[in-house]
Amino acid sequence: DAGVIQSPRHEVTEMGQEVTLRCKPISGHDYLFWYRQTMMRGLELLIYFNNNVPIDDSGMPEDRFSAKMPNASFSTLKIQPSEPRDSAVYFCASSLTSSDPGELFFGEGSRLTVL
Amino acid sequence: AQSVTQLGSHVSVSEGALVLLRCNYSSSVPPYLFWYVQYPNQGLQLLLKYTSAATLVKGINGFEAEFKKSETSFHLTKPSAHMSDAAEYFCAVSDRGSQFYFGTGTSLTVIP
Repeated sequence: DAGVIQSPRHEVTEMGQEVTLRCKPISGHDYLFWYRQTMMRGLELLIYFNNNVPIDDSGMPEDRFSAKMPNASFSTLKIQPSEPRDSAVYFCASSLTSSDPGELFFGEGSRLTVL
Repeated sequence: AQSVTQLGSHVSVSEGALVLLRCNYSSSVPPYLFWYVQYPNQGLQLLLKYTSAATLVKGINGFEAEFKKSETSFHLTKPSAHMSDAAEYFCAVSDRGSQFYFGTGTSLTVIP
């Protein structure tokens, strides 16, 4: 398997623009997680899905952030409008909970810079 | 509730010296414990995991960790540091469900 695939790897945008980050989980995995990593706050869980259904979005910073998982092989994280404080590396991860334990497999991340 | 504390945000060791990265956990249920490594500009990769079998867990690249329930610890060690070990290391605990709780990370520097 190719692993978790994220795009774009790098995104530079201007404040106020819409940003869409994409993730393809490992085939067959039933959980998908979005994390944000910054120097100040470390690794933060934003939202996670089980079988395409959002389970916990309490980590989403505010209404400007939204995430969807229309099918088992694709998820998006959208920021609209973007702000400079959203600059971070965003990671997608997937896991298979029927395995014991359900370890997380991470993508290589999307580095977002908002000017 | 589950949580992880990593003591020391930065650790420096000489090449060939012992590596010891500390992790203490809090869990209301028997935990699963993990160590992940992150190299620059990459995602996190699993180093090793504890699943309630052997308390001494061996991982990739010569790393190992010992689960000590009495101390609620899961420290990561490697007998001899290599330059290629320089990276960020994260300890994580799972409640055996879907939730993973990560520590704040320890940056390892290896001095030649």
